Amino acid sequence: GENVEQHPSTLSVQEGDSAVIKCTYSDSASNYFPWYKQELGKRPQLIIDIRSNVGEKKDQRIAVTLNKTAKHFSLHITETQPEDSAVYFCAASPGFQKLVFGTGTRLLVSP
Amino acid sequence: DTAVSQTPKYLVTQMGNDKSIKCEQNLGHDTMYWYKQDSKKFLKIMFSYNNKELIINETVPNRFSPKSPDKAHLNLHINSLELGDSAVYFCASSQDSASQNIQYFGAGTRLSVL
Repeated sequence: GENVEQHPSTLSVQEGDSAVIKCTYSDSASNYFPWYKQELGKRPQLIIDIRSNVGEKKDQRIAVTLNKTAKHFSLHITETQPEDSAVYFCAASPGFQKLVFGTGTRLLVSP
Repeated sequence: DTAVSQTPKYLVTQMGNDKSIKCEQNLGHDTMYWYKQDSKKFLKIMFSYNNKELIINETVPNRFSPKSPDKAHLNLHINSLELGDSAVYFCASSQDSASQNIQYFGAGTRLSVL
């Protein structure tokens, strides 16, 4: 079955710096890759997603890139702010309606 | 007006007890899910139902039994609770579409088994 690896497990940056989180997946049939943000004690919420027919997608300070050949995708956050501090999860969809999540990255943005 | 709502928010119980968690979505979605998030924050799918039919069952012990009375509800019943069942359980839902798999999560139920 699909296996998603996510790195790093923790990431500390200064406010205004960029943050990059990387994920790899194993199942070449996976065609949908969302990213979720989970603040402390809250529910996971979708922040951006990308489909396999697209190489890059941007939404303001957040961008996601996908390399299907290498089976990896990354989340880029520019000009980080303290409110970006949270756990971020990548996921891959290997089949109908199923998501396999990565192990999460705890991002801490220091003022 | 919450899109995916689950109850209770907190559940503290003794080992060996039976408990249920309820989930309801008002988004008109066809598919609902149960996830378990352990203390290390790993988020793992347990079950998925599409229009009241089970489509994913990820080798979850038989003590866990999901029930979907209609496509807007997916409840989770747990028998003979064990210490290892302590976790946050999230319900989620998504639209039934080949091009859409955005999953919307409930606020979670924090289960503590003593």
